[in-house]
Amino acid sequence: EAGVAQSPRYKIIEKRQSVAFWCNPISGHATLYWYQQILGQGPKLLIQFQNNGVVDDSQLPKDRFSAERLKGVDSTLKIQPAKLEDSAVYLCASTLGTGGIIYNEQFFGPGTRLTVL
Amino acid sequence: GNSVTQMEGPVTLSEEAFLTINCTYTATGYPSLFWYVQYPGEGLQLLLKATKADDKGSNKGFEATYRKETTSFHLEKGSVQVSDSAVYFCALSGTGTASKLTFGTGTRLQVTL
Repeated sequence: EAGVAQSPRYKIIEKRQSVAFWCNPISGHATLYWYQQILGQGPKLLIQFQNNGVVDDSQLPKDRFSAERLKGVDSTLKIQPAKLEDSAVYLCASTLGTGGIIYNEQFFGPGTRLTVL
Repeated sequence: GNSVTQMEGPVTLSEEAFLTINCTYTATGYPSLFWYVQYPGEGLQLLLKATKADDKGSNKGFEATYRKETTSFHLEKGSVQVSDSAVYFCALSGTGTASKLTFGTGTRLQVTL
């Protein structure tokens, strides 16, 4: 079974430029997450999708970050314009997200390391 | 809100030494608890989990017990190997099949010969 795919793996941009990251979750996984992991910290949730709807975007800086999952499969996270403090690893994760109360394991992609100069 | 506090690293141990990485949490309700591991150059991998009080999660010689009375989920291994060198993250999720994860800051473990 293929894992969560992300691209690019690395990106270097100047501040005020735009950047986009792509994620393809595991086939059949309804729920998709984007996390931001700043160096020396644990990942922090930016946005959570259930199919193509947003479940939680309370930590997403909406003045510069946007994300979409138009067909309920792959997703794009965009930053426009980037700031120095956006330098981080951006992780995508997915889970089955089926009904019930038992936790479904989240599977993580390799991440995109963004450096803003 | 939910939060996770774990001991700061780096932790440096000799091979075959005993490992403990402390983790405590604050959460409402009955969270599930996890340890994730990040090996150099790789993504996050689930190491073990526990979904209710007194459950013990175990994998690859690592263990952690969900202690509701002390709100803790300490990671232990009886004899570490060089290959265990990685960053370890404690995390929790709320009730529900697709709840988000709240992570601690991570603890870097370095095992030497």
